[in-house]
Amino acid sequence: DQQVKQNSPSLSVQEGRISILNCDYTNSMFDYFLWYKKYPAEGPTFLISISSIKDKNEDGRFTVFLNKSAKHLSLHIVPSQPGDSAVYFCAASATTGDYKLSFGAGTTVTVRA
Amino acid sequence: DAGITQSPRHKVTETGTPVTLRCHQTENHRYMYWYRQDPGHGLRLIHYSYGVKDTDKGEVSDGYSVSRSKTEDFLLTLESATSSQTSVYFCAISDGGGTEAFFGQGTRLTVV
Repeated sequence: DQQVKQNSPSLSVQEGRISILNCDYTNSMFDYFLWYKKYPAEGPTFLISISSIKDKNEDGRFTVFLNKSAKHLSLHIVPSQPGDSAVYFCAASATTGDYKLSFGAGTTVTVRA
Repeated sequence: DAGITQSPRHKVTETGTPVTLRCHQTENHRYMYWYRQDPGHGLRLIHYSYGVKDTDKGEVSDGYSVSRSKTEDFLLTLESATSSQTSVYFCAISDGGGTEAFFGQGTRLTVV
């Protein structure tokens, strides 16, 4: 049973516009959330994270929003650039216990020129 | 970049043969993980380790075993490879809860 869900397999956005990626989780023990970016033939690379004590974290063009009551988080990329075309994975873990990192199925973002 | 190396990077093997993938880190991170990536499934945890000789199962552990005899090395073994184990395998390391995990470059395994 997948505890982290990304229900949109793909997203196409025009260069310069906003990309919004969504992620839902079911495990109420999760309190640390991350986004990873992956290019073909490479390992995933860490993008941005957020702790459950916050509802927003920003790093340059990337902002992650967390809605704990809805068990939902989103990643905003503004403005989108061609180099942002990649697969984005949402991940979650609990900061107590076994620290397993659970991933969603990923969303493929294509930025059109 | 985090010092994490996977070997081999590519491997083709026959059904029924044993296969061992190696993950080596130079970061002294306590936690090490093995994931497989398949279309439509994202990254699924196979096994993980929280210290030398301390390992536990992930969500897709059937047909796989692991060993960690040193902090820096985490081995994944397919005792008898099957075609369903054709996948891209990623190793990751972390310092535990509230920290990010760093991934290796991946091993593409094909079982024919």
